[in-house]
Amino acid sequence: DAGVIQSPRHEVTEMGQEVTLRCKPISGHNSLFWYRQTMMRGLELLIYFNNNVPIDDSGMPEDRFSAKMPNASFSTLKIQPSEPRDSAVYFCASSALAEQYFGPGTRLTVT
Amino acid sequence: EDQVTQSPEALRLQEGESSSLNCSYTVSGLRGLFWYRQDPGKGPEFLFTLYSAGEEKEKERLKATLTKKESFLHITAPKPEDSATYLCAVQPLTSGANSKLTFGKGITLSVRP
Repeated sequence: DAGVIQSPRHEVTEMGQEVTLRCKPISGHNSLFWYRQTMMRGLELLIYFNNNVPIDDSGMPEDRFSAKMPNASFSTLKIQPSEPRDSAVYFCASSALAEQYFGPGTRLTVT
Repeated sequence: EDQVTQSPEALRLQEGESSSLNCSYTVSGLRGLFWYRQDPGKGPEFLFTLYSAGEEKEKERLKATLTKKESFLHITAPKPEDSATYLCAVQPLTSGANSKLTFGKGITLSVRP
């Protein structure tokens, strides 16, 4: 049974470039969450969707970040333009009930 | 604002040396408290959910307990493979079941053989 799938696993880009992170949730899960993890701030929620609808985007740092969920099996997190301070590990998680199941993460490095 | 504080930040144990990890929380009504394990380079892995004070759950060498202000993850006779970062998270009662979690910064456990 496939878990949450994220791609790419690693991304290195230069400041100012657009970055798109992708997530496929577990089939049957109706909630999807995007988190960012850094040593300084730990695991922070960026945005989450219920039934493909964004519910809370208060954690999105600024307008450079955007997220979409066009259907129940796919979501993207886009950063445009990227900055060095965006370097972190980005996790996607999905849930059917309260327990969230995480993907392996995308390690983003912006130089 | 919901807050989760975990202590200590890091813990080093000898194999077989039992101990407890603490998670203190402040939330306007608790819907659930969650424990996750995270190995280096991987995503958090779900361990337990606790819903009410006095509740306990066990899995192998791990036992999680809950009071009105904190939760403990007790590790009995740990093995080197228990080395990981353990994360605690809370979900407020004001939100729905499929809603956001607020995480602590985690406790990094190292178990020496």
